[in-house]
Amino acid sequence: NAGVTQTPKFQVLKTGQSMTLQCAQDMNHEYMSWYRQDPGMGLRLIHYSVGAGITDQGEVPNGYNVSRSTTEDFPLRLLSAAPSQTSVYFCASSYSITGNSPLHFGNGTRLTVT
Amino acid sequence: DAKTTQPPSMDCAEGRAANLPCNHSTISGNEYVYWYRQIHSQGPQYIIHGLKNNETNEMASLIITEDRKSSTLILPHATLRDTAVYYCIVRVAIGGSQGNLIFGKGTKLSVKP
Repeated sequence: NAGVTQTPKFQVLKTGQSMTLQCAQDMNHEYMSWYRQDPGMGLRLIHYSVGAGITDQGEVPNGYNVSRSTTEDFPLRLLSAAPSQTSVYFCASSYSITGNSPLHFGNGTRLTVT
Repeated sequence: DAKTTQPPSMDCAEGRAANLPCNHSTISGNEYVYWYRQIHSQGPQYIIHGLKNNETNEMASLIITEDRKSSTLILPHATLRDTAVYYCIVRVAIGGSQGNLIFGKGTKLSVKP
């Protein structure tokens, strides 16, 4: 079982460039989400999805787009990268959205915007 | 804001039990207590969770007080590889937050030889 797989592991972008961070899970989980982690800030929710075709905004959605066309994949798109988006990005999934369903995290994508 | 309070750091001798405390005095009746850890900058790793009963798995034990206002994560025989930041999290009830986990600053556990 691969669990939650994120690609790439590292990425450097120039200001204004766009890119897509990939996230895939093979556990047939309905709930998927994206977090960013900055020093001293903990993890903050960017976007989440409760199932294919359904997405919603989290705490810090500006500058990011998501879509969920399949249960397995939940890509995060940066439309026009800014230095403030330099961060470590984590994708997570859980079987359901109930409180009794643990979130499982990928190993992250380290993004640097220059 | 996180709904939990943890000490910022703790030390533990290798081979001894590590007992990590957490206060969550405002927890609601349908909210679960979760524990995660993060080693270096890897993704947070799920450890254990519970509602009101004590729980045990292959990694750890979770002791929740009867009033549910605090809990303790127990690593029975800590190893150097258990050195990490440990997060105690109250899983927000389903509704507007849709299952979001709110991470606080956690406890930095250092296991020493």
